[in-house]
Amino acid sequence: GQQVMQIPQYQHVQEGEDFTTYCNSSTTLSNIQWYKQRPGGHPVFLIQLVKSGEVKKQKRLTFQFGEAKKNSSLHITATQTTDVGTYFCAGSYGSGNTGKLIFGQGTTLQVKP
Amino acid sequence: DARVTQTPRHKVTEMGQEVTMRCQPILGHNTVFWYRQTMMQGLELLAYFRNRAPLDDSGMPKDRFSAEMPDATLATLKIQPSEPRDSAVYFCASGWGRVENIQYFGAGTRLSVL
Repeated sequence: GQQVMQIPQYQHVQEGEDFTTYCNSSTTLSNIQWYKQRPGGHPVFLIQLVKSGEVKKQKRLTFQFGEAKKNSSLHITATQTTDVGTYFCAGSYGSGNTGKLIFGQGTTLQVKP
Repeated sequence: DARVTQTPRHKVTEMGQEVTMRCQPILGHNTVFWYRQTMMQGLELLAYFRNRAPLDDSGMPKDRFSAEMPDATLATLKIQPSEPRDSAVYFCASGWGRVENIQYFGAGTRLSVL
């Protein structure tokens, strides 16, 4: 079935270091989204990637969508303590436009000040 | 500031009791999702609705869980009878269900079944 795998599950970094989380699907995605969940909070939408090879930036965050539309990554440059949380990728399949997303297991980021 | 509203925020109950969680989606959204989040299983999709019609509830234990949308402004998730393994955070999310299928999550209901 449709499944989105995300690695690593956990990442501890020193403040100022970079961080990357990876997302992989066995089948082609129609689009992929990224969400952030702060500790004790709820997932909040960050960005959506639709086009093959697309790269988008939000300040220190860089999001990429693979050429084959089967993988994606989120890279944070020079992490800050405010980056702490769990980052989820969520894939959409097909063109049915049901709105359904398949979420990865998430990568929990800890940042040591 | 439009948001998804979930009630209650916290619920502690005893095994065997009925639990009802409510969700008010963002006005105008036509798609509503129920998720369960645990440390072990992550974010699991339980059920979702489009234009109030259930599209998929395959992620939901049918014998004890039920999800409904009595009207466009209210979605409910019921567990009867509740069991300790149901302890989790339950999130409701809503969206437009289009190509830009962004989901907006509520703050969640933290359920503890003793």
